[in-house]
Amino acid sequence: DARVTQTPRDKVTEMGQEVTMRCQPILGHNTVFWYRQTMMQGLELLAYFRNRAPLDDSGMPKDRFSAEMPDATLATLKIQPSEPRDSAVYFCASGLGLPGAHQETQYFGPGTRLLVL
Amino acid sequence: AQTVTQSQPEMSVQEAETVTLSCTYDTSESDYYLFWYKQPPSRQMILVIRQEAYKQQNATENRFSVNFQKAAKSFSLKISDSQLGDAAMYFCAYRSAGAAGNKLTFGGGTRVLVKP
Repeated sequence: DARVTQTPRDKVTEMGQEVTMRCQPILGHNTVFWYRQTMMQGLELLAYFRNRAPLDDSGMPKDRFSAEMPDATLATLKIQPSEPRDSAVYFCASGLGLPGAHQETQYFGPGTRLLVL
Repeated sequence: AQTVTQSQPEMSVQEAETVTLSCTYDTSESDYYLFWYKQPPSRQMILVIRQEAYKQQNATENRFSVNFQKAAKSFSLKISDSQLGDAAMYFCAYRSAGAAGNKLTFGGGTRVLVKP
């Protein structure tokens, strides 16, 4: 049963600390998305990658957030320094985007709930 | 930019009955995809159903079906024979079919309560 995995599931940290969230996309998927869910803003895209290259990170605060894909099986989202307003659930999703094909369903991981005190 | 609106913050349904969730969207594109995702208390986002805009036939998945009205830009979800396990937040989402438009734009969600 292929699924997206995310670690940690929950994270509590203090303001100013570095936070790293990890995602393992479904094997063979070539697109990875990071979404953030808050009560106020709902679900919003932070960044996404295709074939490990960043395609769009316009939704991400550049001064403190960074997203990378060191290899095809790992995506990371890092916040440094973290702030209380970063408290949210962060979802990773993966999909299979084929050249010339539009069809691509995104499959979500269980999310990382982050609380910054 | 596309927007997705879910006008019902919460819906309640009796077990075994039917409930319909509404979703409207705004876009100038002609080719796109629409989705319904379910988020139970476990917070896992689960794909319920998908509709391609170029298909006139409404998608169905077991007890879940959609009413896709392209001209009206409406995409409602019908849950038939509701079960206790259907209780969750339901999100409508839009995705452009263009090569560069792979992100999902979500509505605000509708909470579904199922009464035994």
